[in-house]
Amino acid sequence: SQTIHQWPATLVQPVGSPLSLECTVEGTSNPNLYWYRQAAGRGLQLLFYSVGIGQISSEVPQNLSASRPQDRQFILSSKKLLLSDSGFYLCAWSRDRGYGYTFGSGTRLTVV
Amino acid sequence: AQSVTQLGSHVSVSEGALVLLRCNYSSSVPPYLFWYVQYPNQGLQLLLKYTTGATLVKGINGFEAEFKKSETSFHLTKPSAHMSDAAEYFCAVSDLGGNQFYFGTGTSLTVIP
Repeated sequence: SQTIHQWPATLVQPVGSPLSLECTVEGTSNPNLYWYRQAAGRGLQLLFYSVGIGQISSEVPQNLSASRPQDRQFILSSKKLLLSDSGFYLCAWSRDRGYGYTFGSGTRLTVV
Repeated sequence: AQSVTQLGSHVSVSEGALVLLRCNYSSSVPPYLFWYVQYPNQGLQLLLKYTTGATLVKGINGFEAEFKKSETSFHLTKPSAHMSDAAEYFCAVSDLGGNQFYFGTGTSLTVIP
């Protein structure tokens, strides 16, 4: 069966520090991969998605970036965090339109 | 273009009462529709989905939803609310290519004992 792993679960980082969040999928190949952010009391904001290795689409201009170095690995990064980067980050994968998303368990990021 | 509207960002029901969470969509192609549930500090979990076939879809935890094309709706219902149903619920529609899913802004369900 397919599983998705996302870590860390919680993270507290100072303003200006770098960020690296990792997401991996097991049990499938060539998945579509996504990074979402939930700010407190708000809905889901799509940040990046990828349909293949090295292929990244950015939905929202920001100081975050994403990379897909391997087929089932998706990394969210920042060189210098801002206070506004605080939120709940969710990784997800999908294989086709009718499948829907499978989400990771999320990372609670607090920038202080 | 696809979009999803969830009416009511907060819904409160008494334990044992009917749960009705509303979702309307706009889609330029036949829609694939989804409902997800999110418990605090957790990822989203698929409740149910409509792709083709029967328009009344049954999901986990006693939830069901009916696709009504004429009303462009996909409302989520449960006959009798349980305390454990308290969570955030998201409706979503997928695009034709399947690369993106469009989410509503979510409805927070409170169950009153």
